[in-house]
Amino acid sequence: GAGVSQSPSNKVTEKGKDVELRCDPISGHTALYWYRQSLGQGLEFLIYFQGNSAPDKSGLPSDRFSAERTGGSVSTLTIQRTQQEDSAVYLCASSLEEGIGNTFGSGTRLTVV
Amino acid sequence: QKEVEQDPGPLSVPEGAIVSLNCTYSNSAFQYFMWYRQYSRKGPELLMYTYSSGNKEDGRFTAQVDKSSKYISLFIRDSQPSDSATYLCAMTLMDSSYKLIFGSGTRLLVRP
Repeated sequence: GAGVSQSPSNKVTEKGKDVELRCDPISGHTALYWYRQSLGQGLEFLIYFQGNSAPDKSGLPSDRFSAERTGGSVSTLTIQRTQQEDSAVYLCASSLEEGIGNTFGSGTRLTVV
Repeated sequence: QKEVEQDPGPLSVPEGAIVSLNCTYSNSAFQYFMWYRQYSRKGPELLMYTYSSGNKEDGRFTAQVDKSSKYISLFIRDSQPSDSATYLCAMTLMDSSYKLIFGSGTRLLVRP
């Protein structure tokens, strides 16, 4: 596609429920990143994929968070047993080369009530 | 202390003014330095990146890096109302993941 596509754009969920956030990167981009943006913490790295592998998961805040990438393309970020502190904008970025020229999606705004 | 510090603003200037946005950092191992612009309800958009001390110019934008002082700046000349956005500095170690470490962002308002 022309850009990085994320769905849904908005998600409201009840505390304790599981959610899945989807990212469609730019075709051909092998590097894919998930970040989280919240008022108190700014923009924080969550996880990095190179192809289908995740060599850096150091930013995942707890074991309730997991992510996968299939076919070197679509990625899904799953949050289990959501908590109110999970409320944030989850941003996906992809790039042809690691680190430089990341293209971000518009994000999924998650609200846990 | 955060690795990257950025004044959150907001910064309000009249149209045509020169804007200076700044970040300081603590990790001398950072190698690439980037500036992103983020409009409301949108993802960050890369404006400029540089990897060496000195200045890099692109149209109305100039990025400046001083590695000895661990200080980076973005200058916007002839600012326009369309420049109103949040500006984020970001840095990377260029290690195995090249993940970006962001400043907290500065909100800029350019008044017509």
